[in-house]
Amino acid sequence: GESVGLHLPTLSVQEGDNSIINCAYSNSASDYFIWYKQESGKGPQFIIDIRSNMDKRQGQRVTVLLNKTVKHLSLQIAATQPGDSAVYFCAENIKGAQKLVFGQGTRLTINP
Amino acid sequence: KAGVTQTPRYLIKTRGQQVTLSCSPISGHRSVSWYQQTPGQGLQFLFEYFSETQRNKGNFPGRFSGRQFSNSRSEMNVSTLELGDSALYLCASSLAEFYGYTFGSGTRLTVV
Repeated sequence: GESVGLHLPTLSVQEGDNSIINCAYSNSASDYFIWYKQESGKGPQFIIDIRSNMDKRQGQRVTVLLNKTVKHLSLQIAATQPGDSAVYFCAENIKGAQKLVFGQGTRLTINP
Repeated sequence: KAGVTQTPRYLIKTRGQQVTLSCSPISGHRSVSWYQQTPGQGLQFLFEYFSETQRNKGNFPGRFSGRQFSNSRSEMNVSTLELGDSALYLCASSLAEFYGYTFGSGTRLTVV
């Protein structure tokens, strides 16, 4: 039958506000996590990563938090700008499998 | 440094035909992975190669195959194309474990 498109969660924020994008992962064996940004017509662009032995990592305007107890990952973007509009994916690296398992993605829209 | 290069960018094929996609990784990266992205299924892992050896394969039919050459360049082939194979095919390269995966811009395959 005809496939149904994934319903992407959407987050709309005002320019200048902080954004928080959440992700639940599934595999306890995942040892490495990456956030990607994908703009229309482009491949996923690396934003920030975190290993499973850490619970927080900061980059330029971005912070990733990892809660292994509840298998939850979040991406915080400070002072959101129009150029931050994109679909954001979390990805978990399955230990020993040399592959990434991606979340469904969240569409971030910035309101002027 | 040059990023991951995928060719061609766009491709239109007829059902039943076969197609070969090419990926040149970042210089020095020996791991190359392939992913399929569709609105219905999101980003799905196809296979991963390291030093010309396939280390892992996703849950795709045998019509999907790949290989890696001694210079780390990789190709993937899809035989007997079906309409459902229409997708964005993404290649990613990695230097080593925990060093992230850099994606190319993808090849947009349309099967008619």
